[in-house]
Amino acid sequence: GAGVSQSPRYKVAKRGQDVALRCDPISGHVSLFWYQQALGQGPEFLTYFQNEAQLDKSGLPSDRFFAERPEGSVSTLKIQRTQQEDSAVYLCASSLGAIIRSKNIQYFGAGTRLSVL
Amino acid sequence: DQQVKQNSPSLSVQEGRISILNCDYTNSMFDYFLWYKKYPAEGPTFLISISSIKDKNEDGRFTVFLNKSAKHLSLHIVPSQPGDSAVYFCAAQHNAGGTSYGKLTFGQGTILTVHP
Repeated sequence: GAGVSQSPRYKVAKRGQDVALRCDPISGHVSLFWYQQALGQGPEFLTYFQNEAQLDKSGLPSDRFFAERPEGSVSTLKIQRTQQEDSAVYLCASSLGAIIRSKNIQYFGAGTRLSVL
Repeated sequence: DQQVKQNSPSLSVQEGRISILNCDYTNSMFDYFLWYKKYPAEGPTFLISISSIKDKNEDGRFTVFLNKSAKHLSLHIVPSQPGDSAVYFCAAQHNAGGTSYGKLTFGQGTILTVHP
């Protein structure tokens, strides 16, 4: 597609419910990132994929958070037993994975706004 | 531990004047810096970047300045236009190789309002 696509755009969950957030990166992009953006803050890194390999999950806040990219394209971020503190905008970004920095810009989707009641 | 800081939550500028957005960082390992612009209900959009081996990069109305000794960068927009009104995020990367490569560390953002 033309850009990074995320769905759903909005998700309301009851506390304790499991949710799944989807990201369709730009076709051909090797690298995929998930970020969490709390209200009034900048995005914070959650996890990174190079193709299907999850190479960095150091930003995931707890073991309730799980991400996958099984075929190296679409990625899903799953949050189990959601808590109120999980309420945030979840952003997905993709990049070519090029060595040259100027060619490796991250392009962001519009995000999924998760509200946990 | 906020490694990238944007200390001005908001900035208001008259159309045609210069907008200067500031950003400070603490991690000496950062070697590439980016500015993103974000409109409401949209994702951040890349604006301009600079490598730590340079002190200035220019792209049309946008110029980024880097002062490594002060660990400070700024974005200049000249002339400012009402369509520039958005949230601006400063972000940094460090080339630690391996799994850290490409991860962005963001500041809190500055809301720029350009008045006609």
